[in-house]
Amino acid sequence: DIQMTQSPSTLSASVGDRVTITCRASQSISSWLAWYQQKPGKGPNLLIYKASSLESGVPSRFSGSGSGTEFTLTISSLQPDDFATYYCQHYNSYSLTFGGGTKVEIK
Amino acid sequence: EVQLVESGEGLVQPGGSLRLSCAASGFTFSSYSMHWVRQAPGKGLEHVSAISYNGGSTYYVDSVKGRFTISRDNSKNTLSLQMGSLRPEDMAVYYCAREAGRGSYFGNAFDIWGQGTMVTVSS
Repeated sequence: DIQMTQSPSTLSASVGDRVTITCRASQSISSWLAWYQQKPGKGPNLLIYKASSLESGVPSRFSGSGSGTEFTLTISSLQPDDFATYYCQHYNSYSLTFGGGTKVEIK
Repeated sequence: EVQLVESGEGLVQPGGSLRLSCAASGFTFSSYSMHWVRQAPGKGLEHVSAISYNGGSTYYVDSVKGRFTISRDNSKNTLSLQMGSLRPEDMAVYYCAREAGRGSYFGNAFDIWGQGTMVTVSS
């Protein structure tokens, strides 16, 4: 199975900061990667699919990049509503694996 | 409004059974493959099971094979997960999720999620 490793596991940042989260795959997954945001007590919300495509309705301050084994999620200017946990996910195979998550906390 | 609502929350003893349901609304349910994803308390997300849009294909993660059964009723817009021989490690919030793209099966991300339903396994 393909393993997905996210870093960091926790990130402390301030409103207005540029934030970058990394996700690494144990083998090449082309661009079959999604990013989700999850807030406490809620189901995840799709932000990015196919590594860099922004889901409809998601603010443009979110962007994704990468291919192969290394991917990044960037928030260009962190807003109060963005403090949450973020997960990457490999799809397009029968091994639909998630990264361990990155919690973005208020500094 | 496109929506998924899970139900079936419960406390069961190890070895017991529980049935979860997910009611879909606001979209053509029969055109979309559906998935169950779980999250143990304080932990990350784990993909558990999937069923194709027409019910013809199913998938289970190794840890639940032979114990869980996924099914769907496209006439009632309902997804189900029958869970048996429950173990303490099955304790989690269970989410149903829609796979994006009509007719896709394991080819897309999950664009709609429910709010989750809690399964507690304890004696």
